[in-house]
Amino acid sequence: GESVGLHLPTLSVQEGDNSIINCAYSNSASDYFIWYKQESGKGPQFIIDIRSNMDKRQGQRVTVLLNKTVKHLSLQIAATQPGDSAVYFCAENGGATNKLIFGTGTLLAVQP
Amino acid sequence: GAVVSQHPSRVICKSGTSVKIECRSLDFQATTMFWYRQFPKQSLMLMATSNEGSKATYEQGVEKDKFLINHASLTLSTLTVTSAHPEDSSFYICSAIGGRGVYGYTFGSGTRLTVV
Repeated sequence: GESVGLHLPTLSVQEGDNSIINCAYSNSASDYFIWYKQESGKGPQFIIDIRSNMDKRQGQRVTVLLNKTVKHLSLQIAATQPGDSAVYFCAENGGATNKLIFGTGTLLAVQP
Repeated sequence: GAVVSQHPSRVICKSGTSVKIECRSLDFQATTMFWYRQFPKQSLMLMATSNEGSKATYEQGVEKDKFLINHASLTLSTLTVTSAHPEDSSFYICSAIGGRGVYGYTFGSGTRLTVV
Protein backbone atom coordinates (compact mmCIF):
# COMPACT_ATOMS: atom_id res chain seq x y z
CA GLY A 1 0.00 0.00 0.00
CA GLU A 2 0.97 3.61 -0.29
CA SER A 3 1.76 5.85 2.63
CA VAL A 4 4.09 8.70 3.28
CA GLY A 5 6.31 8.05 6.28
CA LEU A 6 5.89 5.91 9.37
CA HIS A 7 6.58 8.41 12.12
CA LEU A 8 4.08 10.51 14.08
CA PRO A 9 5.49 13.88 15.13
CA THR A 10 3.86 15.75 17.99
CA LEU A 11 2.94 19.40 18.30
CA SER A 12 2.21 20.63 21.80
CA VAL A 13 0.45 23.99 22.20
CA GLN A 14 -1.22 25.97 24.96
CA GLU A 15 -4.96 26.43 24.91
CA GLY A 16 -5.81 29.66 23.13
CA ASP A 17 -2.64 29.72 21.03
CA ASN A 18 -2.62 29.29 17.28
CA SER A 19 -1.41 25.96 15.87
CA ILE A 20 0.35 25.35 12.60
CA ILE A 21 0.61 21.81 11.30
CA ASN A 22 2.75 21.15 8.26
CA CYS A 23 2.72 18.49 5.60
CA ALA A 24 4.91 17.66 2.63
CA TYR A 25 3.10 15.88 -0.16
CA SER A 26 4.62 13.56 -2.69
CA ASN A 27 2.95 13.88 -6.08
CA SER A 28 3.41 17.05 -8.08
CA ALA A 29 0.41 16.00 -10.21
CA SER A 30 -1.97 16.00 -7.23
CA ASP A 31 -4.70 18.56 -7.74
CA TYR A 32 -6.76 18.31 -4.58
CA PHE A 33 -5.80 18.22 -0.94
CA ILE A 34 -7.69 17.60 2.27
CA TRP A 35 -6.94 17.96 5.96
CA TYR A 36 -8.44 15.40 8.30
CA LYS A 37 -8.71 15.13 12.05
CA GLN A 38 -8.66 11.68 13.61
CA GLU A 39 -9.50 10.94 17.20
CA SER A 40 -8.45 7.71 18.83
CA GLY A 41 -10.38 4.71 17.57
CA LYS A 42 -12.36 6.70 15.01
CA GLY A 43 -12.32 7.31 11.28
CA PRO A 44 -10.88 10.51 9.79
CA GLN A 45 -13.07 13.61 10.01
CA PHE A 46 -13.02 16.17 7.17
CA ILE A 47 -11.72 19.60 8.21
CA ILE A 48 -11.01 21.60 5.08
CA ASP A 49 -9.95 21.07 1.49
CA ILE A 50 -8.19 23.03 -1.22
CA ARG A 51 -7.73 22.64 -4.95
CA SER A 52 -4.38 23.13 -6.63
CA ASN A 53 -5.52 26.33 -8.36
CA MET A 54 -5.70 28.04 -4.97
CA ASP A 55 -3.00 28.85 -2.43
CA LYS A 56 -5.18 29.64 0.56
CA ARG A 57 -8.60 28.72 1.86
CA GLN A 58 -10.26 29.65 5.11
CA GLY A 59 -12.88 27.96 7.17
CA GLN A 60 -14.14 28.39 10.69
CA ARG A 61 -11.01 28.79 12.85
CA VAL A 62 -8.97 26.91 10.24
CA THR A 63 -6.90 28.00 7.26
CA VAL A 64 -5.14 25.82 4.74
CA LEU A 65 -2.14 27.10 2.78
CA LEU A 66 -0.78 25.39 -0.31
CA ASN A 67 2.67 25.94 -1.77
CA LYS A 68 2.92 23.92 -4.94
CA THR A 69 6.47 25.05 -5.64
CA VAL A 70 7.81 23.11 -2.68
CA LYS A 71 4.89 20.66 -2.40
CA HIS A 72 3.91 21.84 1.04
CA LEU A 73 0.61 22.17 2.86
CA SER A 74 -0.11 23.72 6.19
CA LEU A 75 -3.12 23.79 8.48
CA GLN A 76 -3.54 26.72 10.80
CA ILE A 77 -5.92 26.43 13.73
CA ALA A 78 -6.80 29.66 15.50
CA ALA A 79 -7.39 29.81 19.25
CA THR A 80 -6.69 26.13 19.74
CA GLN A 81 -9.01 24.36 22.16
CA PRO A 82 -8.66 21.11 24.15
CA GLY A 83 -11.19 19.54 21.78
CA ASP A 84 -8.75 20.07 18.95
CA SER A 85 -6.41 17.47 20.44
CA ALA A 86 -6.17 14.67 17.87
CA VAL A 87 -4.02 13.41 15.04
CA TYR A 88 -4.14 15.53 11.90
CA PHE A 89 -3.45 14.15 8.45
CA CYS A 90 -3.06 15.80 5.11
CA ALA A 91 -4.19 13.79 2.11
CA GLU A 92 -3.65 14.27 -1.60
CA ASN A 93 -5.70 13.18 -4.56
CA GLY A 94 -3.31 11.78 -7.12
CA GLY A 95 -5.37 12.66 -10.15
CA ALA A 96 -6.92 10.20 -12.58
CA THR A 97 -7.30 7.30 -10.17
CA ASN A 98 -9.07 9.36 -7.48
CA LYS A 99 -6.97 7.58 -4.88
CA LEU A 100 -6.52 9.56 -1.69
CA ILE A 101 -3.05 9.17 -0.23
CA PHE A 102 -2.39 10.16 3.36
CA GLY A 103 0.60 11.94 4.80
CA THR A 104 2.46 11.01 7.97
CA GLY A 105 0.18 12.70 10.45
CA THR A 106 0.83 15.02 13.38
CA LEU A 107 -0.39 14.55 16.92
CA LEU A 108 -1.70 17.85 18.27
CA ALA A 109 -1.67 18.00 22.06
CA VAL A 110 -3.43 21.01 23.57
CA GLN A 111 -2.35 21.87 27.09
CA PRO A 112 -4.98 23.57 29.29
CA GLY B 1 -24.82 14.89 4.93
CA ALA B 2 -23.21 11.82 3.45
CA VAL B 3 -22.76 8.93 5.86
CA VAL B 4 -20.70 5.78 5.54
CA SER B 5 -21.52 3.01 7.97
CA GLN B 6 -18.88 0.42 8.76
CA HIS B 7 -19.50 -2.81 10.65
CA PRO B 8 -18.45 -4.30 12.91
CA SER B 9 -16.64 -1.64 14.91
CA ARG B 10 -14.65 -4.26 16.76
CA VAL B 11 -14.03 -7.93 16.12
CA ILE B 12 -11.86 -10.55 17.76
CA CYS B 13 -11.25 -13.75 15.87
CA LYS B 14 -9.12 -16.83 16.20
CA SER B 15 -6.06 -17.31 14.07
CA GLY B 16 -6.92 -19.14 10.85
CA THR B 17 -10.50 -17.94 10.60
CA SER B 18 -11.93 -15.37 8.19
CA VAL B 19 -13.54 -12.06 9.04
CA LYS B 20 -15.84 -9.93 6.90
CA ILE B 21 -16.08 -6.15 7.29
CA GLU B 22 -18.94 -4.22 5.67
CA CYS B 23 -18.91 -0.68 4.39
CA ARG B 24 -22.22 0.92 3.41
CA SER B 25 -23.01 4.34 1.98
CA LEU B 26 -26.31 5.19 3.65
CA ASP B 27 -27.62 8.17 1.71
CA PHE B 28 -25.68 8.24 -1.51
CA GLN B 29 -24.48 5.90 -4.19
CA ALA B 30 -20.80 5.13 -4.18
CA THR B 31 -19.37 3.76 -7.37
CA THR B 32 -15.93 3.84 -5.81
CA MET B 33 -14.89 2.84 -2.33
CA PHE B 34 -11.45 2.56 -0.78
CA TRP B 35 -10.07 0.33 1.94
CA TYR B 36 -7.31 1.47 4.27
CA ARG B 37 -5.32 -0.16 7.00
CA GLN B 38 -3.86 1.70 9.95
CA PHE B 39 -1.39 0.45 12.54
CA PRO B 40 -1.05 2.23 15.90
CA LYS B 41 0.58 5.68 15.68
CA GLN B 42 0.87 5.39 11.92
CA SER B 43 -0.85 6.81 8.90
CA LEU B 44 -3.64 5.31 6.83
CA MET B 45 -2.25 3.00 4.19
CA LEU B 46 -4.35 2.48 1.09
CA MET B 47 -4.96 -1.20 0.47
CA ALA B 48 -7.28 -1.25 -2.51
CA THR B 49 -9.80 0.60 -4.62
CA SER B 50 -13.19 -1.03 -4.96
CA ASN B 51 -15.37 -0.27 -7.98
CA GLU B 52 -18.96 -1.41 -8.20
CA GLY B 53 -19.39 -4.34 -10.54
CA SER B 54 -15.71 -4.89 -11.24
CA LYS B 55 -12.64 -6.35 -9.61
CA ALA B 56 -10.86 -4.37 -6.97
CA THR B 57 -7.52 -2.75 -7.70
CA TYR B 58 -4.95 -3.58 -5.07
CA GLU B 59 -1.96 -1.49 -4.06
CA GLN B 60 1.50 -2.90 -4.44
CA GLY B 61 2.35 -5.34 -1.67
CA VAL B 62 -1.26 -6.08 -0.68
CA GLU B 63 -2.20 -9.73 -1.05
CA LYS B 64 -5.40 -9.93 -3.05
CA ASP B 65 -6.05 -13.52 -2.04
CA LYS B 66 -5.83 -12.61 1.62
CA PHE B 67 -7.87 -9.43 1.49
CA LEU B 68 -10.93 -10.19 -0.61
CA ILE B 69 -12.95 -7.18 -1.68
CA ASN B 70 -16.43 -7.33 -3.12
CA HIS B 71 -18.40 -4.31 -4.31
CA ALA B 72 -21.63 -5.91 -5.41
CA SER B 73 -23.87 -2.87 -5.21
CA LEU B 74 -23.65 0.92 -5.30
CA THR B 75 -24.00 1.09 -1.53
CA LEU B 76 -22.03 -1.86 -0.21
CA SER B 77 -18.42 -2.97 -0.29
CA THR B 78 -17.03 -5.79 1.84
CA LEU B 79 -13.51 -6.66 2.90
CA THR B 80 -12.87 -10.24 3.95
CA VAL B 81 -9.64 -11.02 5.75
CA THR B 82 -9.06 -14.68 5.00
CA SER B 83 -7.11 -17.06 7.24
CA ALA B 84 -6.38 -14.24 9.62
CA HIS B 85 -3.17 -14.21 11.65
CA PRO B 86 -2.07 -11.99 14.53
CA GLU B 87 -0.08 -9.77 12.16
CA ASP B 88 -3.37 -8.90 10.42
CA SER B 89 -4.56 -7.23 13.62
CA SER B 90 -5.10 -3.61 12.70
CA PHE B 91 -7.62 -0.80 12.27
CA TYR B 92 -9.39 -1.10 8.92
CA ILE B 93 -11.18 1.94 7.49
CA CYS B 94 -13.31 2.30 4.39
CA SER B 95 -14.01 5.42 2.39
CA ALA B 96 -16.51 6.23 -0.35
CA ILE B 97 -16.66 8.97 -2.94
CA GLY B 98 -19.89 10.92 -2.98
CA GLY B 99 -20.03 13.03 0.15
CA ARG B 100 -18.65 16.37 1.24
CA GLY B 101 -15.99 18.29 -0.64
CA VAL B 102 -14.90 18.35 -4.26
CA TYR B 103 -14.75 14.58 -4.59
CA GLY B 104 -16.74 13.87 -1.49
CA TYR B 105 -14.52 11.38 0.29
CA THR B 106 -16.49 10.10 3.25
CA PHE B 107 -14.98 7.75 5.81
CA GLY B 108 -16.45 5.01 7.89
CA SER B 109 -15.77 4.82 11.61
CA GLY B 110 -13.32 1.96 11.25
CA THR B 111 -13.08 -1.65 12.40
CA ARG B 112 -10.64 -2.77 15.04
CA LEU B 113 -9.59 -6.33 14.17
CA THR B 114 -7.77 -8.39 16.77
CA VAL B 115 -6.58 -11.86 15.81
CA VAL B 116 -5.72 -14.13 18.74
